[in-house]
Amino acid sequence: GDSVTQMEGPVTLSEEAFLTINCTYTATGYPSLFWYVQYPGEGLQLLLKATKADDKGSNKGFEATYRKETTSFHLEKGSVQVSDSAVYFCALRDNAGKSTFGDGTTLTVKP
Amino acid sequence: GAGVSQSPSNKVTEKGKDVELRCDPISGHTALYWYRQSLGQGLEFLIYFQGNSAPDKSGLPSDRFSAERTGGSVSTLTIQRTQQEDSAVYLCASILQGSGTYEQYFGPGTRLTVT
Repeated sequence: GDSVTQMEGPVTLSEEAFLTINCTYTATGYPSLFWYVQYPGEGLQLLLKATKADDKGSNKGFEATYRKETTSFHLEKGSVQVSDSAVYFCALRDNAGKSTFGDGTTLTVKP
Repeated sequence: GAGVSQSPSNKVTEKGKDVELRCDPISGHTALYWYRQSLGQGLEFLIYFQGNSAPDKSGLPSDRFSAERTGGSVSTLTIQRTQQEDSAVYLCASILQGSGTYEQYFGPGTRLTVT
């Protein structure tokens, strides 16, 4: 079946550092790929998405590019802020609508 | 507008009892998902309803778990004869099919504790 593997956390960075959270997937067909974020005390919400190969999703300074050749969707941000501290989940949605999530990566940004 | 709501927000039950968890999706959303999030773990897919199609139940961990969606709207997840390993946060999400975004809107979850 489908699976999503993301970088284990927790990840601790200083403010303005560069962030990469790796995500790779296995799936049949051509899934859509997502990053969701869960801020402390809040529910899960969509951060960005990409629906086909070579698409780049971006939002709030975060970016991720759908790489079919490496089956990856790594999340990046050039300069993190304390307010980016959260748990980040990589996910895919197959053509039948079923979704698979990674285990989540906890990011803590220190001032 | 109103988001996805779930009730109760917290439920403490004794081992062996049955529990029902409720999800009210966003009005007009045709697809609905149930997930389970155990402490420190990712989201475990449980079941997926899409319109009038037969639900995808492939994620239900045992026959003690069942779910239904009445009238294409409200959904109830039932856990029979609860066990301690059922303790987790149960999340519901809905999607507006055909929107092209496939964004899942999540509810706040129900925290289930089995003692």
